[in-house]
Amino acid sequence: AQSVTQLGSHVSVSEGALVLLRCNYSSSVPPYLFWYVQYPNQGLQLLLKYTSAATLVKGINGFEAEFKKSETSFHLTKPSAHMSDAAEYFCAVSEGRDDKIIFGKGTRLHILP
Amino acid sequence: NAGVTQTPKFQVLKTGQSMTLQCAQDMNHEYMSWYRQDPGMGLRLIHYSVGAGITDQGEVPNGYNVSRSTTEDFPLRLLSAAPSQTSVYFCASSNPGSRAFFGQGTRLTVV
Repeated sequence: AQSVTQLGSHVSVSEGALVLLRCNYSSSVPPYLFWYVQYPNQGLQLLLKYTSAATLVKGINGFEAEFKKSETSFHLTKPSAHMSDAAEYFCAVSEGRDDKIIFGKGTRLHILP
Repeated sequence: NAGVTQTPKFQVLKTGQSMTLQCAQDMNHEYMSWYRQDPGMGLRLIHYSVGAGITDQGEVPNGYNVSRSTTEDFPLRLLSAAPSQTSVYFCASSNPGSRAFFGQGTRLTVV
């Protein structure tokens, strides 16, 4: 069964610094991978998704993620953090055939002024 | 398009009461799912459906029932509410391999 591990339940970065949120997955088939963002008291919004096309995926708000099969990773990055990036981020995996989407436990991103 | 609509947005139940959380989507998606979100636990899959008439259990199905009589609707039933079911519930819909669209959530408190 597929699973997702997000390293670090809380990550703090200074405004303007690099954002790196880590995600490792396990899947018995080539996976579909997603990053979602949740702002306080809101639902989830899709940041980006990987579906076996380009390994470097660009998303909204300047985020991108790189699929590395050898490392079973799909880390999320942004070159320069902005205060508005403070939120909780979820990595998710789907094996596609029945479309269960399994989420990681989330990483709360704090931006320091 | 409304997308995914969940009702109610807030609910307080007494232990032992039953209720149904409603979820409807107007995107003709095949797949629908229910998740619960608890602090530090992320989103955990309760039940999901790959089409009308087909449902299956997720990670935490105990205490919940679902049915999928139409493509559009996927209600979640709590048969006898317990304090451990206090949570925020999200409904989602999608097509195979595509992104999930989420409702705005239902905040349920069981006292």
